[in-house]
Amino acid sequence: DGGITQSPKYLFRKEGQNVTLSCEQNLNHDAMYWYRQDPGQGLRLIYYSQIVNDFQKGDIAEGYSVSREKKESFPLTVTSAQKNPTAFYLCASSVGQGIIYEQYFGPGTRLTVT
Amino acid sequence: DQQVKQNSPSLSVQEGRISILNCDYTNSMFDYFLWYKKYPAEGPTFLISISSIKDKNEDGRFTVFLNKSAKHLSLHIVPSQPGDSAVYFCAASIPNTGNQFYFGTGTSLTVIP
Repeated sequence: DGGITQSPKYLFRKEGQNVTLSCEQNLNHDAMYWYRQDPGQGLRLIYYSQIVNDFQKGDIAEGYSVSREKKESFPLTVTSAQKNPTAFYLCASSVGQGIIYEQYFGPGTRLTVT
Repeated sequence: DQQVKQNSPSLSVQEGRISILNCDYTNSMFDYFLWYKKYPAEGPTFLISISSIKDKNEDGRFTVFLNKSAKHLSLHIVPSQPGDSAVYFCAASIPNTGNQFYFGTGTSLTVIP
């Protein structure tokens, strides 16, 4: 079945540690996105990538980094510079650029940093 | 600054009745609007969309209405079913910006059997 996988579903880290969240898609989509959701808030865009080896910052990129070495994969690293890393992280993908396409979401990773 | 707003955090509706979820936006550049449905601890799933050249789009029990002059859109669910209980997000996009979406804060819908 085609879809987006995020692993793990729950992740716990100590403050000061970097952590990498995985996102893989087999939909052959060109574009991929990372969002963060906090209680009572909408989804906020962290980074997005429209093509391999290229990515752009979203609204809240500070303290995060990404890479896009393969079309299928778009890992997100939450660095120790991120002041409030505890949140629900969602990865999404869409067909591509130009015409607006709906985004398909993975199941999410809940990160807790203590 | 929240460009897409859902002012009702929650809504309760009896099964079989109509559910109306509202969304307002401030950016007149938005050209495409979507509704997503989200269950707890899961990713959102796409429900229905509408382009700014239309004022209505229908898909089964779901209809989205767009009022561009009022910068307002709404999602109607008729008839509402208990399985519709979820958080609903509206989203908007500006053309030629890498398919970026701006999401509202969500409305939690509860359909009472």
